[in-house]
Amino acid sequence: DVKVTQSSRYLVKRTGEKVFLECVQDMDHENMFWYRQDPGLGLRLIYFSYDVKMKEKGDIPEGYSVSREKKERFSLILESASTNQTSMYLCASTTAVYNSPLHFGNGTRLTVT
Amino acid sequence: DAKTTQPPSMDCAEGRAANLPCNHSTISGNEYVYWYRQIHSQGPQYIIHGLKNNETNEMASLIITEDRKSSTLILPHATLRDTAVYYCIVRVLNQAGTALIFGKGTTLSVSS
Repeated sequence: DVKVTQSSRYLVKRTGEKVFLECVQDMDHENMFWYRQDPGLGLRLIYFSYDVKMKEKGDIPEGYSVSREKKERFSLILESASTNQTSMYLCASTTAVYNSPLHFGNGTRLTVT
Repeated sequence: DAKTTQPPSMDCAEGRAANLPCNHSTISGNEYVYWYRQIHSQGPQYIIHGLKNNETNEMASLIITEDRKSSTLILPHATLRDTAVYYCIVRVLNQAGTALIFGKGTTLSVSS
């Protein structure tokens, strides 16, 4: 089975801190994604990557950056965390085949105080 | 914006079939319909996907209308563990990759 592992299940950070959310997949998938999920707003795409060192903005990239130095790892970075970035963050991966399904991790619940 | 419309909530008795509808009237010819579900505090779980033909796997069946403007996910014998938010998604092919655009889904409540 595909496994997408997010490094932390729960995280509490202070306003202004730099925050790293890590995601690792074990199936040699080319594409990786970061979403955030908020009540009433559903899942929204922040960034995705289709290859090492490649990245594309999603619908809500402001306040975030990403890093993909290795194929299996995709990091989401909050340069200066703010309270409106309190959310559930979900990582996903898939192969480059067009109709292959996404596989999600179990999420990181980030609270910024 | 999501390209699908789903009812916000549905109820189903345990052991009965759960039929979850989805409208995707603007779907393009090469776009697939995907279904995911999300159980509380977990990441979304892939269920099934299809293009034109009906599909079945160990979890569910997917019925797509001939004009492809709507589809129905069928859980043949719903259990309490099927209580979740179900998302119907049309796969959008971006210029440089692929991404799923999630709508708000249908909250399915299965009760005994």
